[in-house]
Amino acid sequence: NAGVTQTPKFQVLKTGQSMTLQCAQDMNHEYMSWYRQDPGMGLRLIHYSVGAGITDQGEVPNGYNVSRSTTEDFPLRLLSAAPSQTSVYFCASSGGLAMDEQYFGPGTRLTVT
Amino acid sequence: GQQVMQIPQYQHVQEGEDFTTYCNSSTTLSNIQWYKQRPGGHPVFLIQLVKSGEVKKQKRLTFQFGEAKKNSSLHITATQTTDVGTYFCAGKGGSSNTGKLIFGQGTTLQVKP
Repeated sequence: NAGVTQTPKFQVLKTGQSMTLQCAQDMNHEYMSWYRQDPGMGLRLIHYSVGAGITDQGEVPNGYNVSRSTTEDFPLRLLSAAPSQTSVYFCASSGGLAMDEQYFGPGTRLTVT
Repeated sequence: GQQVMQIPQYQHVQEGEDFTTYCNSSTTLSNIQWYKQRPGGHPVFLIQLVKSGEVKKQKRLTFQFGEAKKNSSLHITATQTTDVGTYFCAGKGGSSNTGKLIFGQGTTLQVKP
């Protein structure tokens, strides 16, 4: 099993550009989530999904969209990148809601200039 | 909304000294999880506590969940250089259907050999 994979590992965007961060897991997990990590701020929940077709907002959802068309994939879309979205983004999955161990991907380091 | 606060933000210790990080929630938690993130890495699950007053040990690490299920602590006895990293607590609110796992800001531990 590859676990949780994220692409790309690094990305530089210009303000106003759009892009999609990819996240996939091969563990048949129902629960998937996106976090951003900034210095001194810990991990902040952006969006999460409890199963295919179901998504909900986390603590900091503004500027981000998600969809969950399959159990395996949970892409995060930035529609119009802003410098405030410069961060490290982690995708995570678990077998049951948020009650189980979260498996994190390796992260995507995004810089918006 | 639910908030999880963690202190201290940073801790520098001499190898062999003990270390403790504390986690406090503004609401009652249904569970608390602890993660470790090595520099440049992704968070890795350490343990989950579910019961009021629960205490669990993993070698030199001792985890506690408060009686009111609003606070938790991680204690490391006789730190080693391999303990370096950032330790996060993460809690899920009392409502079983929200699915939100909220992380604290983390405590970064530096160990001087």
